Amino acid sequence: GAVVSQHPSRVICKSGTSVKIECRSLDFQATTMFWYRQFPKKSLMLMATSNEGSKATYEQGVEKDKFLINHASLTLSTLTVTSAHPEDSSFYICSAGTSGGLRGDTQYFGPGTRLTVL
Amino acid sequence: DAKTTQPNSMESNEEEPVHLPCNHSTISGTDYIHWYRQLPSQGPEYVIHGLTSNVNNRMASLAIAEDRKSSTLILHRATLRDAAVYYCILGGSARQLTFGSGTQLTVLP
Repeated sequence: GAVVSQHPSRVICKSGTSVKIECRSLDFQATTMFWYRQFPKKSLMLMATSNEGSKATYEQGVEKDKFLINHASLTLSTLTVTSAHPEDSSFYICSAGTSGGLRGDTQYFGPGTRLTVL
Repeated sequence: DAKTTQPNSMESNEEEPVHLPCNHSTISGTDYIHWYRQLPSQGPEYVIHGLTSNVNNRMASLAIAEDRKSSTLILHRATLRDAAVYYCILGGSARQLTFGSGTQLTVLP
């Protein structure tokens, strides 16, 4: 399958700081990237959808000023958690999709980033 | 978004085949059927996807009902490493995937 990477894999930060998480599609150009968060023993919840070169579309209840998403190229999207608080501690996962070609029609997920806010 | 229904949990013995069912009676004509699996503290791993015809790859087979209202993921010989939560999801590459609660597969040695 296609490879999607995330960096860092885990991060611990102090309350009030900002954390940036990178998501890269390594072997294909992703026209669309998605960001999810997952709490323990729960399923993935979509936070936002980002298309290269345009503003992200956020799901209801997700604060766009708190979770900044940038999709600057077809292989990179970043999620910045601004002024993080303990309740933002979670497992953040990105996915990348493209249309057409060998990688078309489905999405590939990154390994996830474990964020712990103290 | 079209919804899927899966059993909460299933058990299988090692080296035996496993059939994981999924119902999706409200599937639209353009919805692909995707299967992912997830281990604790890891991102979902792509397993297989299909539209109308049955699909085979090195990991599994996907059997799609003729009316597309249900599908079955087939693991031909379960191993302990196949123990995971399996998600059946409808959608496309550029459309959001809505995750349900999935099926927790336990493989018994």
